[in-house]
Amino acid sequence: AQSVTQLGSHVSVSEGALVLLRCNYSSSVPPYLFWYVQYPNQGLQLLLKYTTGATLVKGINGFEAEFKKSETSFHLTKPSAHMSDAAEYFCAVSRSGGTSYGKLTFGQGTILTVHP
Amino acid sequence: DSGVTQTPKHLITATGQRVTLRCSPRSGDLSVYWYQQSLDQGLQFLIQYYNGEERAKGNILERFSAQQFPDLHSELNLSSLELGDSALYFCASSDARGSGEQFFGPGTRLTVL
Repeated sequence: AQSVTQLGSHVSVSEGALVLLRCNYSSSVPPYLFWYVQYPNQGLQLLLKYTTGATLVKGINGFEAEFKKSETSFHLTKPSAHMSDAAEYFCAVSRSGGTSYGKLTFGQGTILTVHP
Repeated sequence: DSGVTQTPKHLITATGQRVTLRCSPRSGDLSVYWYQQSLDQGLQFLIQYYNGEERAKGNILERFSAQQFPDLHSELNLSSLELGDSALYFCASSDARGSGEQFFGPGTRLTVL
């Protein structure tokens, strides 16, 4: 079974400050890892993904995440927060391999608030 | 715009009723997934279809069923509705190339009164 734990249901930062959203996963097989963002009253948009290869992945809007197998972590960072980053962020894991991918298992989400 | 469409956007109904939610995947995507988002349970996987066949099942209630049609659109049927079924229901699709990425629709907000 796979699971995801997001540390901190709410994170608040000042505009221009570092954003760090934490995600730890549990998986018995090599995982595929994802970060999605959800703006109010909208669907989920993919920020970035790790499948294989380079463990530091860059996504949209200046976000990046690093896959650390030894720590079973996939934390999301952005050097300088912008007001438009305020949203809810979800870390997710799925099984790797095959052409038919199974379910995404999501964390509980982290609401990011950005103060002026 | 992800390319995944869902109808209707909002649905208000009464307990005991039955509703159908519709999803059209991105052009060329063979897999369709249904998720439920609620305050209590968060985002939970319900069911996956691949090219018309059921491929994986999650925490889907027996009162709920789904199917994927030859044109690849999918429908989620919810029956004998209860207050606790009020939630946001998302459809997502993915391709068969092996990227693992799922593209989400805007969701259908179901309110059961």
